[in-house]
Amino acid sequence: QVQVVQSGAEVKKPGASVKISCKASGYSFTSYYMHWVRQAPGQGLEWMGMINPSDGSTRYAQKFQGRVTMTRDTSTSTVYMELSSLRSEDTAVYYCARGPSIVARIWLDPWGQGTQVTVSS
Amino acid sequence: QSVLTQPPSASGTPGQRVTISCSGSSSNIGSNTVNWYQQVPGTAPKLLIYSNNQRAPGAPDRFSGSKSGTSASLAISGLQSEDEADYYCSTWDDSLNGAVFGGGTQLTVL
Repeated sequence: QVQVVQSGAEVKKPGASVKISCKASGYSFTSYYMHWVRQAPGQGLEWMGMINPSDGSTRYAQKFQGRVTMTRDTSTSTVYMELSSLRSEDTAVYYCARGPSIVARIWLDPWGQGTQVTVSS
Repeated sequence: QSVLTQPPSASGTPGQRVTISCSGSSSNIGSNTVNWYQQVPGTAPKLLIYSNNQRAPGAPDRFSGSKSGTSASLAISGLQSEDEADYYCSTWDDSLNGAVFGGGTQLTVL
């Protein structure tokens, strides 16, 4: 079945970087975009950006420009999201989710199980 | 402050019909399709409605979506206890050149 499985929880110190993986299976990896969405404790969903696994092109939310990098490895059907210069406000659950290969058609399905990132000194 | 505006809470009794609104602008809902997600606390969101009014595979037919101008709505008929969850609307924003979400609506089944 179609699924995306994320790496495990992370604890980081302020100023550090975190890199989360998201492994896709059950479909053609290069035929769908992959999005990243985060959810701070008790808060709503926040879109971070997207990657086209076919050519590696990316589009990031303005808020994260310069701090986020999304990459992919087609040999393992895995996408990665790295967030740098972490601060306490980055403590959140980070999700990857598959989207159609049309930029403005952003229905996301399925979602990964989420990766808890905790930033604390 | 979310780009899309949803009521923070909604409630209903079993069997009732409940509607959740999502308000945006010409750069987002006014020019792109709307999607709805259901999130049970502690779990990942799940796609419920896509492209304004299409039910996702596996979504019960008591869920329906609609869009008019710069607003969209999610309707739940025949409310059931398992519908108690958070609901989010989402679309693309042409001005921000990115996806946007509503702040979420917590649905309580009384």
